Amino acid sequence: ETGVTQSPTHLIKTRGQQVTLRCSSQSGHNTVSWYQQALGQGPQFIFQYYREEENGRGNFPPRFSGLQFPNYSSELNVNALELDDSALYLCASSLRGTSNEQFFGPGTRLTVL
Amino acid sequence: QKEVEQDPGPLSVPEGAIVSLNCTYSNSAFQYFMWYRQYSRKGPELLMYTYSSGNKEDGRFTAQVDKSSKYISLFIRDSQPSDSATYLCAMSTSTGGGNKLTFGTGTQLKVEL
Repeated sequence: ETGVTQSPTHLIKTRGQQVTLRCSSQSGHNTVSWYQQALGQGPQFIFQYYREEENGRGNFPPRFSGLQFPNYSSELNVNALELDDSALYLCASSLRGTSNEQFFGPGTRLTVL
Repeated sequence: QKEVEQDPGPLSVPEGAIVSLNCTYSNSAFQYFMWYRQYSRKGPELLMYTYSSGNKEDGRFTAQVDKSSKYISLFIRDSQPSDSATYLCAMSTSTGGGNKLTFGTGTQLKVEL
């Protein structure tokens, strides 16, 4: 069984740029959720994807967007980067309809200068 | 007021001690309760998953949920230096599908030799 993987591991961008983060879900899982974790804080829910559609969104602006692909992998896109976007971005996969257990990947650390 | 409150610590204990970690919450709709362990600069690892009130034991770990008090606990017996990490509580509501997790800020634990 393959766990959740994310790429890249680290990323440095400048203010105003755009970034794409990628996630491959755990084998057999059909739902992907994205979280933002600022230093010293708990993860904050960004949005969730199921069957290639957004299925719930947290308190994040529209410049945060995502995609889910037929193989259940997912992308998180952030436009017009701001300094406060610097954080660890976590992807979690789960199997909708059976449990609420979400399994996290190692995260992508984004630094915005 | 945050939906989930968690003492950030740090909490320092000697090896072999019993550790008690706690969270309180305000949303009575929370039905599913989880504890995650997060090592520095890594993704959260699911430790315990419980539904509604009661106790659940897994090895050295025991999770307790008291919905009447809106209070959950994680106990670690015979603590080891390898248990040194940040422990995050997380909760979700029962909405019939994939759910977002609401996290506490995490408690930093250090187990000393």
